[in-house]
Amino acid sequence: DVKVTQSSRYLVKRTGEKVFLECVQDMDHENMFWYRQDPGLGLRLIYFSYDVKMKEKGDIPEGYSVSREKKERFSLILESASTNQTSMYLCASSSPKGSNTEAFFGQGTRLTVV
Amino acid sequence: EDQVTQSPEALRLQEGESSSLNCSYTVSGLRGLFWYRQDPGKGPEFLFTLYSAGEEKEKERLKATLTKKESFLHITAPKPEDSATYLCAVQAASGGYQKVTFGTGTKLQVIP
Repeated sequence: DVKVTQSSRYLVKRTGEKVFLECVQDMDHENMFWYRQDPGLGLRLIYFSYDVKMKEKGDIPEGYSVSREKKERFSLILESASTNQTSMYLCASSSPKGSNTEAFFGQGTRLTVV
Repeated sequence: EDQVTQSPEALRLQEGESSSLNCSYTVSGLRGLFWYRQDPGKGPEFLFTLYSAGEEKEKERLKATLTKKESFLHITAPKPEDSATYLCAVQAASGGYQKVTFGTGTKLQVIP
C-alpha cells in the first residue's frame, strides 16, 4: 500500500525554536510537497521538490526552508518558530509520470507554537 | 490565478438522504480535477481524478462528475461513516511542477 509517513502527529514548540518536520515516502515518487492547513483557508503550498536537492517555493514560503537529500525524504524546517506558524502540516508525494498524478498525503503533524 | 470554490461549506444529511457537493473552478488549462476525503485530524485520502468534461467515476456510494466549469460529488444513500470533509483540487496543465490548487472543503455530517 502507498505510504507517506510524517515523523510526528503532535508537536509543541516554543517561540524562537528551530523546528524540523520529517516526511518519508515509499513510492519512489519524484515530487514531494509541504502544505499547511488552517480553518477557512484550505491547503496552502509552502514548498515542493521535484528531485533530490531541488526545491521550489510555493505560495507561502516565508519563515520556512526545506531539505531533500534523498529521494524518499523531505524535511520542512521552521527557522525560528512563531505563534502564527501554529497549524496542521501535511506532507504529500506524487509522480509526474503517466496518467496518475494524484498526490498521496501523510497523516499530518499538528504543530503548536507557544 | 487558479481558483477553486466548494459549496456548501457544511452539509448535514439524514442517513439515506442523497445529495451533491459542488466544486466550481477556474484554471489555466485543466490537467486533472481531484476529490479527496479528509477525516478529522488526518491527512486527505485520494478518491477520484477526472480529466475531461463529461467524465464520471464511481466508488461505492460516491460518484464524481465533471463539466468545463464545475464538478459534483454525488452521495447516494449516505451512511454515518461517510461523514468527513471532502476536498476538491485542480491541477493546471501549465506550470513546471503541475501546480495544484485546493478548495476549502465541504464538511459532511450524516446523522443515523
